[in-house]
Amino acid sequence: QQPVQSPQAVILREGEDAVINCSSSKALYSVHWYRQKHGEAPVFLMILLKGGEQKGHDKISASFNEKKQQSSLYLTASQLSYSGTYFCGTDLTGTASKLTFGTGTRLQVTL
Amino acid sequence: GAVVSQHPSWVICKSGTSVKIECRSLDFQATTMFWYRQFPKQSLMLMATSNEGSKATYEQGVEKDKFLINHASLTLSTLTVTSAHPEDSSFYICSALTGIGTYEQYFGPGTRLTVT
Repeated sequence: QQPVQSPQAVILREGEDAVINCSSSKALYSVHWYRQKHGEAPVFLMILLKGGEQKGHDKISASFNEKKQQSSLYLTASQLSYSGTYFCGTDLTGTASKLTFGTGTRLQVTL
Repeated sequence: GAVVSQHPSWVICKSGTSVKIECRSLDFQATTMFWYRQFPKQSLMLMATSNEGSKATYEQGVEKDKFLINHASLTLSTLTVTSAHPEDSSFYICSALTGIGTYEQYFGPGTRLTVT
């Protein structure tokens, strides 16, 4: 079953923060976050493995709550380059070799 | 490193014809590649998992005889859409794992297929 992301879409002014949530009805082994710009392939952002870890680089970080089967992506001090559609990819098998992608969140950062 | 290419980047074909899309790992050997389909403003839907030297594993609802996948070498997988129909028009994207036990999928740039 496809993970549900919220919000579906968000518009930010440059410098504002955003949180994107990914919720699954099934147990997750890991969560992968990708950003896709229009007409392009998804670009890998980060992976969160089982263990409730948090990760981050630059101004993008994420958390993974395996008990709640949820992950959140945090974008701080957003930049214009952050615009795009964000997808979470969930690993339901434990092999990390097959991902079920979420419904997507469209993010637009404006001046 | 970990670059995946796809060819062609876009293709227009007539209904009833077949189209082949290539996915190559340029700087690594990919034992596993994945094929996704993405309709406008929708998420990526996995079509099949392709392992080098063996038959592809198709997701439920994906017709094996219509979407032929061949993973003949460690750097090349092909997807052939046979007897294409307008409803097959979509963005087809491949991805690859860099090795056994790795987690990151590296995506190709995608192929836009339009069937007229």
